[in-house]
Amino acid sequence: AQTVTQSQPEMSVQEAETVTLSCTYDTSESDYYLFWYKQPPSRQMILVIRQEAYKQQNATENRFSVNFQKAAKSFSLKISDSQLGDAAMYFCAYMPRGSGTYKYIFGTGTRLKVLA
Amino acid sequence: NAGVTQTPKFQVLKTGQSMTLQCAQDMNHNSMYWYRQDPGMGLRLIYYSASEGTTDKGEVPNGYNVSRLNKREFSLRLESAAPSQTSVYFCASSDPWTSGIYNEQFFGPGTRLTVL
Repeated sequence: AQTVTQSQPEMSVQEAETVTLSCTYDTSESDYYLFWYKQPPSRQMILVIRQEAYKQQNATENRFSVNFQKAAKSFSLKISDSQLGDAAMYFCAYMPRGSGTYKYIFGTGTRLKVLA
Repeated sequence: NAGVTQTPKFQVLKTGQSMTLQCAQDMNHNSMYWYRQDPGMGLRLIYYSASEGTTDKGEVPNGYNVSRLNKREFSLRLESAAPSQTSVYFCASSDPWTSGIYNEQFFGPGTRLTVL
């Protein structure tokens, strides 16, 4: 069965510092997508960054970047220059490509606290 | 565009009562999903609809029914609510032809349901 593991229930980072959230997944598929979603206290799920498995280049979106290690089945999120508005729950999600159903499998989330 | 809308935002039920959670999207997406979010569990798929006229069970379908009323609307029904169904419920939609190659899911604001 495909699973997604986020081993850090909670992380803290000082404002302006860098933090890395970890995510590992288990799959026998070779082609898939990976996502990081942010959920602030408003509950709204916001897409942060996404990665295609067949692309070796790590995705970046402004202060957010990923370290995608396909062989290790690892997909960590790095947040640079952390801001107070980055405080939220972060969810890693996996979706096999070509499944026809486009279903996500989510990790259990990491709560990020940003300290002023 | 409103994106994905859900009603109601909050609801309190007594054990045994029934209710329907409503979801609508205006992005012309084919696929729609219902998730529940519980502390420490991440988001788990209840039911999904890959296209209008089809529905399938997800990871935790017991105690729920769904209706894909048309392409825009996907409702979730609790026939006889139980305290174990206390959760936050999210609706999402996606489409490989309009969401882009990543087929990312777009989420509604969620419904907080409490069953006493």
